[in-house]
Amino acid sequence: NAGVMQNPRHLVRRRGQEARLRCSPMKGHSHVYWYRQLPEEGLKFMVYLQKENIIDESGMPKERFSAEFPKEGPSILRIQQVVRGDSAAYFCASSPGKEQYFGPGTRLTVT
Amino acid sequence: QKEVEQDPGPLSVPEGAIVSLNCTYSNSAFQYFMWYRQYSRKGPELLMYTYSSGNKEDGRFTAQVDKSSKYISLFIRDSQPSDSATYLCAMSDERAGTASKLTFGTGTRLQVTL
Repeated sequence: NAGVMQNPRHLVRRRGQEARLRCSPMKGHSHVYWYRQLPEEGLKFMVYLQKENIIDESGMPKERFSAEFPKEGPSILRIQQVVRGDSAAYFCASSPGKEQYFGPGTRLTVT
Repeated sequence: QKEVEQDPGPLSVPEGAIVSLNCTYSNSAFQYFMWYRQYSRKGPELLMYTYSSGNKEDGRFTAQVDKSSKYISLFIRDSQPSDSATYLCAMSDERAGTASKLTFGTGTRLQVTL
């Protein structure tokens, strides 16, 4: 059983460009969470999704950030008009209902 | 004040020592408690998961939860150099029978020396 998959593993964007991060949950898991880890800081919750539904987006910045988990395909975290402060590691986790399993992360660098 | 407090370390111990890692929290609604291990530039790896109070053992790892004191611990017996990593505590409340978002401590960096 493959683990949580994320791609790309590394992403470089110039200021003002869009970043798209993808997450494929573990087989059989219907809950997906996105977290952000800034250098020397802990993981911070961003959004919780189930298939076709956003359950909790209390950690998402109000502007430029959006997430989806369509009926078919991976979950996508989208950051529009990136700024240097968006540089971080973005982790996706999937869950069968309680415990959460993390992917390897996408490291976003904004130049 | 942060919802979850964790000493950042670093904590340095000799090989074979017993390691004690701890977190305190302020939100009494937390019901699920997890410990993750994170190697540098990797994703967090789930080590232990407990629900409510009590102890849980898995190999060299023991997790303890004391909800009355809002205090959780992870013990590592017979520590090995490969245990050198950052250890993150995480917790969540319950929503309709499933866990919700995790709130993390900042992590404790552990170094096990030969």
